[in-house]
Amino acid sequence: DSGVTQTPKHLITATGQRVTLRCSPRSGDLSVYWYQQSLDQGLQFLIQYYNGEERAKGNILERFSAQQFPDLHSELNLSSLELGDSALYFCASSDGGSDNEQFFGPGTRLTVL
Amino acid sequence: TQLLEQSPQFLSIQEGENLTVYCNSSSVFSSLQWYRQEPGEGPVLLVTVVTGGEVKKLKRLTFQFGDARKDSSLHITAAQPGDTGLYLCAGLTGTASKLTFGTGTRLQVTL
Repeated sequence: DSGVTQTPKHLITATGQRVTLRCSPRSGDLSVYWYQQSLDQGLQFLIQYYNGEERAKGNILERFSAQQFPDLHSELNLSSLELGDSALYFCASSDGGSDNEQFFGPGTRLTVL
Repeated sequence: TQLLEQSPQFLSIQEGENLTVYCNSSSVFSSLQWYRQEPGEGPVLLVTVVTGGEVKKLKRLTFQFGDARKDSSLHITAAQPGDTGLYLCAGLTGTASKLTFGTGTRLQVTL
């Protein structure tokens, strides 16, 4: 158990819909990262927050957004969903140390029908 | 865009065999991490290597960081079925806080 929790575990929705994925980091970690993992793209970095502020952006679509709240949990919002958004979405957290060692949650499997 | 290429992409071996997984890039990384991911779970950090030429051992796993900090290898001795999983390398550059993940090596160890 990494100490990072994600909900829900599975999510099935239709094209055009909007969903919210939730992540709680390890106790004491200020950084939260979101990744997308699909079969043909590997593990792709989406976005990072540090203590409530956006720190780094990766290949995140404009239809996707995220935020980190004062209690440090984070939410990833996916809107106008397309079939190609079906994937595993992982949250990771770190303490912000120089080696940026990250601890991953169990993931949310999103299926868009 | 920094790319981390892993080879082989797939590896199926029998219990007791040795294997090596490679992680290569044209970019220099300040540190490199190896993760193992099992089906339906998130990646789990195995090791971080920081110094060029560094070698770290974790039981039957030996990790090496290239002298130029552009490549790394993972060697598993006497593989066991419990080693089965997706192995990912991930590189960190000095000026960015995000990890660049490799393409992954899927290992299956059978009895």
